[in-house]
Amino acid sequence: NAGVMQNPRHLVRRRGQEARLRCSPMKGHSHVYWYRQLPEEGLKFMVYLQKENIIDESGMPKERFSAEFPKEGPSILRIQQVVRGDSAAYFCASSVDRLNTEAFFGQGTRLTVV
Amino acid sequence: AQSVTQPDIHITVSEGASLELRCNYSYGATPYLFWYVQSPGQGLQLLLKYFSGDTLVQGIKGFEAEFKRSQSSFNLRKPSVHWSDAAEYFCAASSGSARQLTFGSGTQLTVLP
Repeated sequence: NAGVMQNPRHLVRRRGQEARLRCSPMKGHSHVYWYRQLPEEGLKFMVYLQKENIIDESGMPKERFSAEFPKEGPSILRIQQVVRGDSAAYFCASSVDRLNTEAFFGQGTRLTVV
Repeated sequence: AQSVTQPDIHITVSEGASLELRCNYSYGATPYLFWYVQSPGQGLQLLLKYFSGDTLVQGIKGFEAEFKRSQSSFNLRKPSVHWSDAAEYFCAASSGSARQLTFGSGTQLTVLP
């Protein structure tokens, strides 16, 4: 039973490019959460999705960031026109229930904007 | 606003010594409480969680945590630390309605031989 899979593990983008981060939840999990970890900081919630629906995006920056979790395939976190300040580790977590009683985390995607 | 505070940024202990990592939360009602561990370049692994009931919770790798409502605390403890415990530790909380986890800023643990 594979855990939460994120790819790529490392991503380098030039300023102005687009970054696409993928997350495949654990088998049987239909709830996905994205978190961002800036250097020397804890994780900050970004968005919570269920299949085909965004439930809570209160932690997402208003511009350039979007997320989706289609019926088929992984969840995607998309960052358009990246800037240096977007450099961070992005973690995905999945859970089996909406109360998030136990979330399993992927290994993260480390985005570096140069 | 809901928040989780880990007062200690960095703790150093000798191998075999006892360990206590502090965590305080600020929520309207008692939230679900969690401790995660993160090794360098890795994701987060759940050590233990508290929802209700017995205030002393046992976790993996010999860790335990005690919930104290009067102090709004959920401190993590281990009687004897191993060198492999060196990592960053995050306390987190969630309320049933908000669902997402709110993390503390983490405590970096260094273990001396």
